[in-house]
Amino acid sequence: QVQLQESGPGLVKPSQTLSLTCNVSGASISSGSYFWNWIRQPAGKGPEWIGRIFASGSTIYSPSLRSRVTLSVDTSNNQFSLILNSVTAADTAVYYCARGRAVVPGALEYYLDFWGQGAPVTVSS
Amino acid sequence: QSVLTQPPSASGTPGQRVTISCSGSSSNIGSYYVYWYQQLPGTAPKLLIYMNNQRPSGVPDRFSGSKSGTSASLVISGLRSEDEADYYCATWDDSMSGLHAVFGGGTKLTVL
Repeated sequence: QVQLQESGPGLVKPSQTLSLTCNVSGASISSGSYFWNWIRQPAGKGPEWIGRIFASGSTIYSPSLRSRVTLSVDTSNNQFSLILNSVTAADTAVYYCARGRAVVPGALEYYLDFWGQGAPVTVSS
Repeated sequence: QSVLTQPPSASGTPGQRVTISCSGSSSNIGSYYVYWYQQLPGTAPKLLIYMNNQRPSGVPDRFSGSKSGTSASLVISGLRSEDEADYYCATWDDSMSGLHAVFGGGTKLTVL
C-alpha cells in the first residue's frame, strides 16, 4: 500500500522559510512512473496546488507561488521536499504531499491518487 | 476566489439523489478531465472520481461523475449518512501562466 508522510516544523516565523519533507513508502520515486506533489489547504478553504516534481527533478509550480517555491527530490531516500520562502500569515495551512498518476502513460495530465495525512503549519511570531 | 465554481453547500435526506456542480472555462474544464475528491472531517482529501467519470477501486457506484463543455457534475445516489463531507472538483488550467492544477472552493454536503 502506498503511503506518504509529511514532516517538518509546525511553526514558522514571518519572513522566514518553511521547509517540509514527504517520505514515500510502498512506491519508488525513482521508478519515474508518477508525479510528486505538494498541496496546501487553509482552514475552511479548498485545497491549493503548490507544485510537482518528477523523478528527474523536472518541476512545475503554481503561478501564484512560483517566485517563492522550490521542490526537490531525493531518490536515494525515497522522499521529496518543499521550500517556501518569505512566509506570511497567509501561508498558514495544512500542507499535504500526494502522488500523481498520469491519465495515460506518458501524459502530463494526472490525478492525485494517494495523499499524506497532512502537516499543519502556522506562520506566527 | 477559486478558478472553479461550486455551490458552497448541498443537502439531502438518506436515500435521496444529490447533484454537485462545478463550473469552469475553456482553459480548464473545457480542455482537461475533471476529478472529484471527498474530504471527511479532519482527514485528507480522497480521490472519488477521475477522468470525468471513472471510480477508483473501492468507491461505491452510488457516486458518478460527468462533464459537458466547461461544466461538470458529481451525482450521489442513495445518499447515506457517511457521505456527509466536503467535495472538491479539480482539473488542470492552461492559461497564459502555464499549466497548473486548480481546485474548486468545495461543497459541504449535509445529510439531514
